[in-house]
Formats: sequence, C-alpha cells, structure tokens
Amino acid sequence: GQQVKQSSPSLTVQEGGISILNCDYENDMFDYFAWYKKYPDNSPTLLISVRSNVDKREDGRLTVFLNKSGKHFSLHITASQPEDTAVYLCAAEQQGTGSKLSFGKGAKLTVSP
Amino acid sequence: GPKVLQIPSHQIIDMGQMVTLNCDPVSNHLYFYWYKQILGQQMEFLVNFYNGKVMEKSKLFKDQFSVERPDGSYFTLKIQPTALEDSAVYFCASSLGRYANSDYTFGSGTRLLVI
Repeated sequence: GQQVKQSSPSLTVQEGGISILNCDYENDMFDYFAWYKKYPDNSPTLLISVRSNVDKREDGRLTVFLNKSGKHFSLHITASQPEDTAVYLCAAEQQGTGSKLSFGKGAKLTVSP
Repeated sequence: GPKVLQIPSHQIIDMGQMVTLNCDPVSNHLYFYWYKQILGQQMEFLVNFYNGKVMEKSKLFKDQFSVERPDGSYFTLKIQPTALEDSAVYFCASSLGRYANSDYTFGSGTRLLVI
C-alpha cells in the first residue's frame, strides 16, 4: 500500500497568507522527511528536509513540522507568493536500510494575487 | 545547481519493442536511481545502482527491466519487451552519498507512451 499520503490534492491561498501542506505516513521506521517542489515538466527539487531527531526546522519562509507519534509532517509557507504556485511532494525514507524515497501523490498549491 | 539530464524527454513506442531511457547524472555522484510515475499516481522507486551493481529493486522492477552505466557514461533503463502498463514518466536521480540527504538530484523525467 501507499506508505506516504497527501490527503488534500489541491490548496488555494491568497497572496501573503500561510500555505499549509500535510503529509501522513505509515512506516514508523521512516527517519528522514522531505518536501519537494515541482513545476510541470520539470524535475522535483528539494525544498526542505528534516531528520526524525527534530520536531521542527525553519528555512526562511519555510517550516517543516514533524509529529512522530501522529506519523504526520507538514510544510508551512509564510507570506505566500504567486511564484510558490506549484505541486508539492512530500517524501520519506528509512535511512538505515537503503536509499529509496517514498513519495506522496502531490498537492497543487495555487497562490492567487 | 548541478543538473541531471534525461534523454529523450518524450518517447512513443510500439508494444513489444525495446526502449532505452538515458540519464546523464551529476558528474561526481556515485548513486543512481530510477523512479516511475503513472499518471495520477505517486512517484515510486524502481531501482538503485552503485559501483556498477543494482543494490535494491522494488517489485515494480520487472524482469523485462535492466539498468547499467557502461564506462561511467549514461545511466540507462532498458525495457525489453515493453508492455502497455509501462506507459509512465520515468525519473532518474543521482546522489553523492547513499541517502536522500546527500545532494539527491532528480531529472525532469522521460514520458514514455507504449501503444
């Protein structure tokens, strides 16, 4: 079954608002969590990631929150801009066993001016 | 930043024929990967490759699939023979180290349509 799930396939936010993207996972052995941004016909690019030994990581307008007991992580984008409009993919990996990312289906974020 | 290039970007092929997807990884990277994304579904891991060998493959990596990187050139995914269910976008990736926090870089994908 699908190990990483993004339940909301799309989200629309007003410019300047906070975008919140959510991801749930099943494998409690995952210890690396990441968010990728993807434009149509382009490669997924890493936005921000976090290891399981921290609950939160900030990088500019981006913050990842990790809730291990709830098997949930989220991406918050503050001061959302139209150029943030893209598909956002969450991904997780169990780093002790080998290199393979498990991805969610993606969520389309639209930031309207 | 450094890029992973995938050639071709689109490919249409008759069912039963052979297809080779090419990936030019980041030059100093040592680990190579293929992922498959069927329309409307998530990207799924197919295989990883290091030091000339497959390290791990998923159940999606059928017997008809093979990978190689001859003489440090393109990292290739060959499908022989192709089937209709092989239609998907295939993403190549490379990394410097073994895990995803090691400069894991994706290509833009090859859109394969088997007819």
